[in-house]
Amino acid sequence: DVKVTQSSRYLVKRTGEKVFLECVQDMDHENMFWYRQDPGLGLRLIYFSYDVKMKEKGDIPEGYSVSREKKERFSLILESASTNQTSMYLCASSLKVSGQGGYTFGSGTRLTVV
Amino acid sequence: GENVEQHPSTLSVQEGDSAVIKCTYSDSASNYFPWYKQELGKRPQLIIDIRSNVGEKKDQRIAVTLNKTAKHFSLHITETQPEDSAVYFCAATPSGDKLIFGTGTRLQVFP
Repeated sequence: DVKVTQSSRYLVKRTGEKVFLECVQDMDHENMFWYRQDPGLGLRLIYFSYDVKMKEKGDIPEGYSVSREKKERFSLILESASTNQTSMYLCASSLKVSGQGGYTFGSGTRLTVV
Repeated sequence: GENVEQHPSTLSVQEGDSAVIKCTYSDSASNYFPWYKQELGKRPQLIIDIRSNVGEKKDQRIAVTLNKTAKHFSLHITETQPEDSAVYFCAATPSGDKLIFGTGTRLQVFP
């Protein structure tokens, strides 16, 4: 019973391309998050959204933007992909922004920018 | 804002031994402290959490302790098994704010 679905498991993109990472949740959660995971750096928050059309910057928003047109869908956009954006990207959703009750993560998208 | 430090970054134990992972946080307003486990190639999943009004919580072989005065909390795994091998993340948050994760601990349990 997959509850947070990320559209791609692996992606390879060229430097300068515009990249869209899609995330869909079926739990009617208000809050959705985009993290990137790099070895030794843990989970770093890029952007989060607490309602449709609402967004907040996380710790590392530079080079990224997001879109939340519908409650169930939260998209991460790399406006012009660069090699330092090669990473594992994890989407998550939660009932409460603080995560009490848990964040539900997607399976991740491993993005390689060449 | 909140900052969470996690140690050690890697931990190797013999099957049956105990494992302890420690985290410190900076924001005294933080009141919720979850732990997530990420097995190889899988998504992080919540395994246990603790709120600031509790000093210790147990769930079978895992337990979490919280010292609010010192601003640190720990994950304890007893009688470790090979299936405990994973990356473990601690996190902290003030009420109503987003989670801040530690950098992760890779635990390896050798048979």
